Amino acid sequence: QAGLTQPPSVSEDLRQTATLTCTGNNNNVGNQGAAWLQQHQGHPPKLLSYRTNTRPSGISERFSASRSGNTASLTITGLQPEDEADYYCSSWDTSLSAWVFGGGTELTVL
Amino acid sequence: QVQVVESGGGVVQPGGSLRLSCAASGLNFTNYFNWVRQAPGKGLEWVAVISYDGSHKYYADSVKGRFLISRDNSMNTLYLQLNYLRAEDTAVYYCARERDAFDIWGQGTMVTVSS
Repeated sequence: QAGLTQPPSVSEDLRQTATLTCTGNNNNVGNQGAAWLQQHQGHPPKLLSYRTNTRPSGISERFSASRSGNTASLTITGLQPEDEADYYCSSWDTSLSAWVFGGGTELTVL
Repeated sequence: QVQVVESGGGVVQPGGSLRLSCAASGLNFTNYFNWVRQAPGKGLEWVAVISYDGSHKYYADSVKGRFLISRDNSMNTLYLQLNYLRAEDTAVYYCARERDAFDIWGQGTMVTVSS
């Protein structure tokens, strides 16, 4: 099953803003939106946002998500060292009747 | 405390079988539940999903016909039967609750397929 497309790596300076992208198609991101997950090495993923721009309880306001057409974005403001992690997007694909993930973006905070 | 705990992983030979379990506690078990796996050093790969009553099940193409997802709502437990295992099935298998997205994850259980 074809997945979503994410850049493999993004680097940004401490206290700056990073924007991660996730591109799908009309069968997934375009009509279902996307969710974003954060995963630190050796730990399970943690949900950061869903329904494109809703944050679960306890997730910092520094994380915000949006969507434009078939591309979803996650913006992280005021980057902190603990934001260094892998970030994955996911979406339900109505054509495949399957969940699809992006390949993940490794975020480095310089 | 809301949690899901996976178990049943281990080392198995190619062509062998395993059954994974995922015990849920502190949450209402009336949701879709999924299995997601992650091969060593790789990204997340969705495996299968099951509806609350088990009437709807969907699988990734890579496991269709080999894996079977099921649940026992009286025991708040999710299962994944892994058959005809291949080396490429080696991964950490996570159980994840689905409420619009994967909002609760377990720590995972490791499955290694090797001779």
